[in-house]
Amino acid sequence: NAGVTQTPKFQVLKTGQSMTLQCAQDMNHEYMSWYRQDPGMGLRLIHYSVGAGITDQGEVPNGYNVSRSTTEDFPLRLLSAAPSQTSVYFCASSFRTSGNVEQFFGPGTRLTVL
Amino acid sequence: QQPVQSPQAVILREGEDAVINCSSSKALYSVHWYRQKHGEAPVFLMILLKGGEQKGHEKISASFNEKKQQSSLYLTASQLSYSGTYFCGTVAGNTGKLIFGQGTTLQVKP
Repeated sequence: NAGVTQTPKFQVLKTGQSMTLQCAQDMNHEYMSWYRQDPGMGLRLIHYSVGAGITDQGEVPNGYNVSRSTTEDFPLRLLSAAPSQTSVYFCASSFRTSGNVEQFFGPGTRLTVL
Repeated sequence: QQPVQSPQAVILREGEDAVINCSSSKALYSVHWYRQKHGEAPVFLMILLKGGEQKGHEKISASFNEKKQQSSLYLTASQLSYSGTYFCGTVAGNTGKLIFGQGTTLQVKP
């Protein structure tokens, strides 16, 4: 198993550009989520999904869109990048949505918006 | 709402003990603990469910007081490998929505 994979590892964007951060898992996990990590702020939940076709907002959803058309994939879209979105982005997944199982994290995508 | 961790940073010598606290203003279903090394992804340590349970993982253990909505992570006889940032995450209700605290940076020196 590859686990949770994220692409790209690094990305530089200009303000106003759009892009999609890819996340995939091969463990048949039901639950997937996106976090951003900024110094001193910890990991903040952007969006999450409890299954294919079902998504919901986390703590900091503004400026980001998600969809979940398959169990395996959970892409995160930035429609118009802003410097405030410079961060490290982690995708995570877990077997169930119940909250009593561990979450597996991908290696992260380091995004810089100029 | 993010859980609150304390302290923000700890510096230890090898062999010393440390306690990291996590508190929430919401009724909790579970508390998760993760450790992150610099430049890497967070790695799971343990989960505690409501019921006041305690768990152990090598020389790292944790407790969960659901009445006080607090959890503590205990690191005993710390090793250099324990250095990193520790995050508590809380789940309120049976949704799986995991909200993390701001993290506690632990540095263990020889």
